[in-house]
Amino acid sequence: QSALTQPPSVSGSPGQSVTISCTGTSSDVGSYNRVSWYQQPPGTAPKLMIYEVSNRPSGVPDRFSASKSGNTASLTISGLQAEDEADYYCSSYTSSSTWVFGGGTKLTVL
Amino acid sequence: EVQLVESGGGLVQPGRSLRLSCAVSGFTFDDYAMHWVRQAPGKGLEWVSGISWNSGSIGYADSVKGRFTISRDNAKNSLYLQMNSLRAEDTALYYCAKGRYYDSSAYVDSWGQGTLVTVSS
Repeated sequence: QSALTQPPSVSGSPGQSVTISCTGTSSDVGSYNRVSWYQQPPGTAPKLMIYEVSNRPSGVPDRFSASKSGNTASLTISGLQAEDEADYYCSSYTSSSTWVFGGGTKLTVL
Repeated sequence: EVQLVESGGGLVQPGRSLRLSCAVSGFTFDDYAMHWVRQAPGKGLEWVSGISWNSGSIGYADSVKGRFTISRDNAKNSLYLQMNSLRAEDTALYYCAKGRYYDSSAYVDSWGQGTLVTVSS
């Protein structure tokens, strides 16, 4: 049950786009379309941003998009806004019938 | 509105036990799987355990297997986590989380605010 691999940090200026990668294995990301992404501003509980690889819950701006290729999932945030600054986590269901999270990526809006 | 309220956290000595509870409202509890997810201070999220709607399917992270037990009481709209043989590395904010579907293979779509567990002598 090793954690999924995410870059520790990414940054971008307002209006720009950033992409956060999430690399797993053929036992998790590569085998299931059950990848989700969560946003966690400092001191708050996580919030679901993307489910089942690329679906947005109601209320999540369409600036947030996601995809998957092989063992790697990606979250793209376009038109960066100051309010997007937060930690982002990916998560995947695994062949062991468990869930695994990524290590988290801190997004800084410059 | 979905509400998940955790309780039972606190300071406990290594080797001792603690039982966390999660009271839910705003949805039909026995229609959904539930999870516990923890976050050590300054660290990332770690899935701890999940349970299906009828307790028929249960899973644990390797780090807690054999020490923690998840359970639910659908009549009381409550989720529990019995934590035994606690270690310093179990120190974390423990979140109660709701699954999207009845099966624990469903993603988490709602989170509580967490209850803090500190394991220290």
